[in-house]
Amino acid sequence: GAGVSQTPSNKVTEKGKYVELRCDPISGHTALYWYRQSLGQGPEFLIYFQGTGAADDSGLPNDRFFAVRPEGSVSTLKIQRTERGDSAVYLCASSLGRSNTGELFFGEGSRLTVL
Amino acid sequence: GNSVTQMEGPVTLSEEAFLTINCTYTATGYPSLFWYVQYPGEGLQLLLKATKADDKGSNKGFEATYRKETTSFHLEKGSVQVSDSAVYFCAPPSNSGYALNFGKGTSLLVTP
Repeated sequence: GAGVSQTPSNKVTEKGKYVELRCDPISGHTALYWYRQSLGQGPEFLIYFQGTGAADDSGLPNDRFFAVRPEGSVSTLKIQRTERGDSAVYLCASSLGRSNTGELFFGEGSRLTVL
Repeated sequence: GNSVTQMEGPVTLSEEAFLTINCTYTATGYPSLFWYVQYPGEGLQLLLKATKADDKGSNKGFEATYRKETTSFHLEKGSVQVSDSAVYFCAPPSNSGYALNFGKGTSLLVTP
């Protein structure tokens, strides 16, 4: 597709369950980012990939969160043992290069609700 | 990392009013600076950017000037329209340069 695609758009799960969120970036974009946006807040950085490798994962809140990008394109954010505090919109973005030189293109997000 | 302080909303203006949304940041060096916008029901998108000190970014009638002396990047528009109703985010890069640090966002509502 023309833009960044995220699935599912909505996910409702129960506390303690495992969740996967998928991001399909714009074709040719080597950089991929995951952000989390809670209600009334700005996006909070989670992790950045350059190609297949996680160049910066300093924003992951704890070891329940993990992300992969095995072929340098699609990425999956994985959350284990979900907690109610994980409820948020998870945003994915991609860019041609590092964000300080270029524009980030965002998907519409995956809204996660943990009951 | 780099931090950003953004004027809190919500801001409500009448159509054709003047808009200013303040943004100040702390940064290592002189990075590029960005304003992003989130229209209702849509994803975040770049509004404008400035790549060096004293540079002015502009788009859709919005402007912001990169002031290194005051470490500010205030967003302005001379005459807002109802279609400008959205949430605006100031975003300097993080210290690593790999990501953007977003402010909390300023919600703007323009009434006819």
